Parts: sequence; C-alpha cells; structure tokens
Amino acid sequence: DGGITQSPKYLFRKEGQNVTLSCEQNLNHDAMYWYRQDPGQGLRLIYYSQIVNDFQKGDIAEGYSVSREKKESFPLTVTSAQKNPTAFYLCASSIVASGAYEQYFGPGTRLTVT
Amino acid sequence: AQKVTQAQTEISVVEKEDVTLDCVYETRDTTYYLFWYKQPPSGELVFLIRRNSFDEQNEISGRYSWNFQKSTSSFNFTITASQVVDSAVYFCALSEAGGSEKLVFGKGTKLTVNP
Repeated sequence: DGGITQSPKYLFRKEGQNVTLSCEQNLNHDAMYWYRQDPGQGLRLIYYSQIVNDFQKGDIAEGYSVSREKKESFPLTVTSAQKNPTAFYLCASSIVASGAYEQYFGPGTRLTVT
Repeated sequence: AQKVTQAQTEISVVEKEDVTLDCVYETRDTTYYLFWYKQPPSGELVFLIRRNSFDEQNEISGRYSWNFQKSTSSFNFTITASQVVDSAVYFCALSEAGGSEKLVFGKGTKLTVNP
C-alpha cells in the first residue's frame, strides 16, 4: 500500500525540549512538505524539499529544522526556539513536474508542549 | 501575493440538502492551479480535485461538482444530496506555476451534515 506515514499520532513534550516528528513516504515522490495547522486555521507551510539534500523555508520556518537525507524521509525537528509549538503537524508529498500537482498527506502528528 | 478566502467558517445542513462551499482566490499569475481538499475528523487531508487556470470547464464527480469562474476569481464546490459522511472541514488551495509547488490554503469551511 503506497502512502505517507507519520509517527507518532500524539506526542507530548515539556517546554524547552527539542522533538523530532517522523515522515516517511513510499510513493516515490520527489517533493515533500511540512505544514502546521492550528485550530480554525488553514495549513501553513513550514519547510519543503524538492530533492534529496536540499530544502527551502516556507512561511513559518522559525524554530523548526528539517533534513532530507533520503528520498523517502523528511523529518521535522521542533526546537525549543519555537515559541508556540503546540499544533497539528501534517506532512505531504507530491511529484515534481511542469505545473503544480496535488499533494498527498499523511495522517498527522498532534504535538502538545506543556 | 497569493491569497485564498473561504468566507464561510461553518455550515450546517440536513441530510439530502445541497450545499455550496465558496472559494475566492487572488493571484497575479496567469498560470495557476486550484485544489480542494477534505479533512474528516481523523485529520488526514484527502485530495478531491485539481484544476488549472486554462481549464474553465465545470467538473462533476458523483455528488460533487465544481464551478470555476475566472471572471470572479472563484472556484466553488457543491455537494448534491449531502450525506452525514460529508461532514468534514473543506479546504480550497492555490498554487502558482513556476516550480515550487507551494500550496496556499484558505482557512477552511467546516461542514456539518445532520441526519
């Protein structure tokens, strides 16, 4: 079954700790994305990557970091510098071709920081 | 700058009613792409449709239909004969051509279909 997996589904951390969210895809997509969703809000782009070993900041990259060492994997680290880390985090992937193609999303990780 | 506005925050209907979700977008590009996604209570976004700016044909897929009007910068989504399973948050999104494939999302419309 092709798709995107994110783990864990729920994550709890203490303030001041870094935490890494996992995202893996077996769709053979070149591009991967991380979004943040807050209650009643749309999705906001944190980081994206169109090729291994390269990634770009999105609209709200401050306090986050990513890596793309493998095509299938795009982990997101929420650092202690992120002022308001409690949110729902969604990972997505898509093909890269002429034009913009639909992104496929994982089930999300709900992060709570207290 | 790109912007997507979904003015309806929440809509509540009774099963079998038709319902239209509005989406208005802003972009300076002549080539762009519009999308609709469904987010059920489980949280995962489900892709529904992609439309490019050169294709203004309306589309129908079962009980779903989409009306794209460039003249009013709108891409509205209609569910005919709504069902309880249609209850979800629906997002409209925009991407400009040019390689980054970044999506700009509206804030979503929460649809509740009551039995």
